[in-house]
Amino acid sequence: GAVVSQHPSRVICKSGTSVKIECRSLDFQATTMFWYRQFPKQSLMLMATSNEGSKATYEQGVEKDKFLINHASLTLSTLTVTSAHPEDSSFYICSARDGVSSYNSPLHFGNGTRLTVT
Amino acid sequence: AQRVTQPEKLLSVFKGAPVELKCNYSYSGSPELFWYVQYSRQRLQLLLRHISRESIKGFTADLNKGETSFHLKKPFAQEEDSAMYYCAPSPHPGNNRKLIWGLGTSLAVNP
Repeated sequence: GAVVSQHPSRVICKSGTSVKIECRSLDFQATTMFWYRQFPKQSLMLMATSNEGSKATYEQGVEKDKFLINHASLTLSTLTVTSAHPEDSSFYICSARDGVSSYNSPLHFGNGTRLTVT
Repeated sequence: AQRVTQPEKLLSVFKGAPVELKCNYSYSGSPELFWYVQYSRQRLQLLLRHISRESIKGFTADLNKGETSFHLKKPFAQEEDSAMYYCAPSPHPGNNRKLIWGLGTSLAVNP
């Protein structure tokens, strides 16, 4: 079945540095990918919708200059947390829908990235 | 606004008891509805979708347009059902639409 690979699974960085998270669709093309943030024991919060070849659409309250999204190909989207601060520490998850499937096809999720900013 | 409500943040039942995880939506149109599940230390995965009218792991969910609900049910809960469950309707047709997530219900099935 369709698999989404997310890397790294865990990263620790110092405050002020930037971190890049990759989300790859394996065996399928994803014109759209979604980036979520999950706080402990809470629901997913959609951060942005990543569109291949165009600008990402950010949800209200999400700083686009802080969370840079690039979707340069049909199989890769990246999220860069710029100038990270401890409050950015969280669990980030990406998902993708098969680009050739019908609109009622489900999302496929990455395993998530645990970001810790010290 | 197009909202999804999962009123129970935590649901605790005993093994063998029936379980119902509630989900209500509030928007017009014909939604495509999903239930996703996240087991401990695992990624989110699709549990079932209403269009398939399927039963997965003993769970079923019926779309009730009159009540705008999509409750998830299982007649006899098992300990391995303990997980986080998310109701996720999707009101927009087209490949790039978003799923508006419920806040999730943590199901704990006690022995």
